[in-house]
Amino acid sequence: EPEVTQTPSHQVTQMGQEVILRCVPISNHLYFYWYRQILGQKVEFLVSFYNNEISEKSEIFDDQFSVERPDGSNFTLKIRSTKLEDSAMYFCASVGRNQPQHFGDGTRLSIL
Amino acid sequence: RKEVEQDPGPFNVPEGATVAFNCTYSNSASQSFFWYRQDCRKEPKLLMSVYSSGNEDGRFTAQLNRASQYISLLIRDSKLSDSATYLCVVFEASGGSYIPTFGRGTSLIVHP
Repeated sequence: EPEVTQTPSHQVTQMGQEVILRCVPISNHLYFYWYRQILGQKVEFLVSFYNNEISEKSEIFDDQFSVERPDGSNFTLKIRSTKLEDSAMYFCASVGRNQPQHFGDGTRLSIL
Repeated sequence: RKEVEQDPGPFNVPEGATVAFNCTYSNSASQSFFWYRQDCRKEPKLLMSVYSSGNEDGRFTAQLNRASQYISLLIRDSKLSDSATYLCVVFEASGGSYIPTFGRGTSLIVHP
């Protein structure tokens, strides 16, 4: 069964640095999402992406965040000037037409 | 503010028991509904979609009550492997896309 893959599985970064989280969605899927889950808390929607542009974003997704699909396969989340409170699991998900979401296994981001 | 509420539990039940979870949502315009399962420090995995007519998949039954704005999940003949957190996910239409809101999850512990 096709999978959504995310890299790295764990990223440790100094506060203030930039990080790029990578996702390879399922190849024929059309919609892409990023979520975060702070330890012990609920999954929170960050942004959705369709047709090479952001379709929706939450209030969490401020100017610190950006997304790209640079080469038609990878889907990246960039976090600039990371803060301690950015420490969380970040999940990518992709959706095909009339299908539910498939999640990647996440990137654990630890900000020191 | 649009909310999706779940009893966090934990629900502690013996093997073979029947257990039911509810999830309430505040936005009457919500479009689609899902139950996901999340194991500790893992990604959410789709358990089942929820339809107005109700749907069943083996030991699992999901129902939607639009009038009262809740969805339910019934698990019959609980197995040890059912121990997990069960996430309610509600999608609402926004322009041409769908915004997901997750509940905090209900923790289930099935013991021998």
